[in-house]
Amino acid sequence: DGGITQSPKYLFRKEGQNVTLSCEQNLNHDAMYWYRQDPGQGLRLIYYSQIVNDFQKGDIAEGYSVSREKKESFPLTVTSAQKNPTAFYLCASSRDREGETQYFGPGTRLLVL
Amino acid sequence: GQQVMQIPQYQHVQEGEDFTTYCNSSTTLSNIQWYKQRPGGHPVFLIQLVKSGEVKKQKRLTFQFGEAKKNSSLHITATQTTDVGTYFCAGLGTDSWGKLQFGAGTQVVVTP
Repeated sequence: DGGITQSPKYLFRKEGQNVTLSCEQNLNHDAMYWYRQDPGQGLRLIYYSQIVNDFQKGDIAEGYSVSREKKESFPLTVTSAQKNPTAFYLCASSRDREGETQYFGPGTRLLVL
Repeated sequence: GQQVMQIPQYQHVQEGEDFTTYCNSSTTLSNIQWYKQRPGGHPVFLIQLVKSGEVKKQKRLTFQFGEAKKNSSLHITATQTTDVGTYFCAGLGTDSWGKLQFGAGTQVVVTP
């Protein structure tokens, strides 16, 4: 069963805590992306990666970090420096970097306690 | 930088009626994609338009790409309750490497 999985579905963060959101794909896609979605707004790009061991900042990278050690995995860490982390986080992948269709995971809802 | 604007932000439609949502880019696009996100769900790809003036249909949905490749529209005929959700357009700039710029979306509510 191919696709993108994200875990956990819901995540609670305490003040000053770092949390990591998981994203795994078995589509053999080269490119992966992290987006943030706030109510009533579109998707804003946090980080993206074209190939393993390489990634680039998106439009709102401050307070976030990523790694791409394996083709299938692109975890996102929300650090304590992100002052307003409550949002819906979506991971996506595409076959290559040439503007191909993006396939989205089910998302993780992060809530700050 | 490239910006993609969508209007309207909200669309209340009576079941059976038609409606159109519009997408406008500040720069020329290589292609434009449309996604649908059901309430509580994640965006799902609907279609991609690449050629100037291109028109594609999917059952009751008609997608159009402008001649200047800076705008697009989605027209839905005979709206059904299954059309509820938020429709996003996403444009790929001519020099932006695979980075889609998403519009804010049109949230569609269907009244039976």
